[in-house]
Amino acid sequence: GAVVSQHPSWVICKSGTSVKIECRSLDFQATTMFWYRQFPKQSLMLMATSNEGSKATYEQGVEKDKFLINHASLTLSTLTVTSAHPEDSSFYICSALRNHNSPLHFGNGTRLTVT
Amino acid sequence: GQQVMQIPQYQHVQEGEDFTTYCNSSTTLSNIQWYKQRPGGHPVFLIQLVKSGEVKKQKRLTFQFGEAKKNSSLHITATQTTDVGTYFCALSSGSARQLTFGSGTQLTVLP
Repeated sequence: GAVVSQHPSWVICKSGTSVKIECRSLDFQATTMFWYRQFPKQSLMLMATSNEGSKATYEQGVEKDKFLINHASLTLSTLTVTSAHPEDSSFYICSALRNHNSPLHFGNGTRLTVT
Repeated sequence: GQQVMQIPQYQHVQEGEDFTTYCNSSTTLSNIQWYKQRPGGHPVFLIQLVKSGEVKKQKRLTFQFGEAKKNSSLHITATQTTDVGTYFCALSSGSARQLTFGSGTQLTVLP
């Protein structure tokens, strides 16, 4: 079955630093990947849609200059949280779309803690 | 965009009891998907419903899509401790097939 790998699974960083999260589709090419954020006890909120070879589409209220998304290849999308602050602490989950007839496949998520 | 309300937010049941979570929308949905997220884990796809009045079963899980395609339910018969987790309904929309998740129902099964 389709596998999506996300790395790292958890990270602790100091306020003001940047953190990069990688999302890879291991056995299929994903022209579209999605980035979600989930705060404790809450649902998943779509942050942005990442398209290979083009700029990401951000949801309303998500700062594109703070959450940098790069989808340089058909198997890799990265999310960089720049100048992280404690309020950015959350569970970040990527997902990849194999094709329009298949369900989304999620990575294992990255738990970010900003101290 | 389209939104969906999901109830209840939490449900505690004794092992062996049944469980149901509901999703409701004010607009007609083209499809609805269901996901399960274990504590600390990521969402795992369970099923997609597309047709009006559709009923699908997976072992002890029964999924329904309303006749008007405005509501859906997930019913678990005789819950087990392995059923613990949060169940989300989700709408797939847009050209990029973005998913909009319901608020989720957190299920606790007491042994």
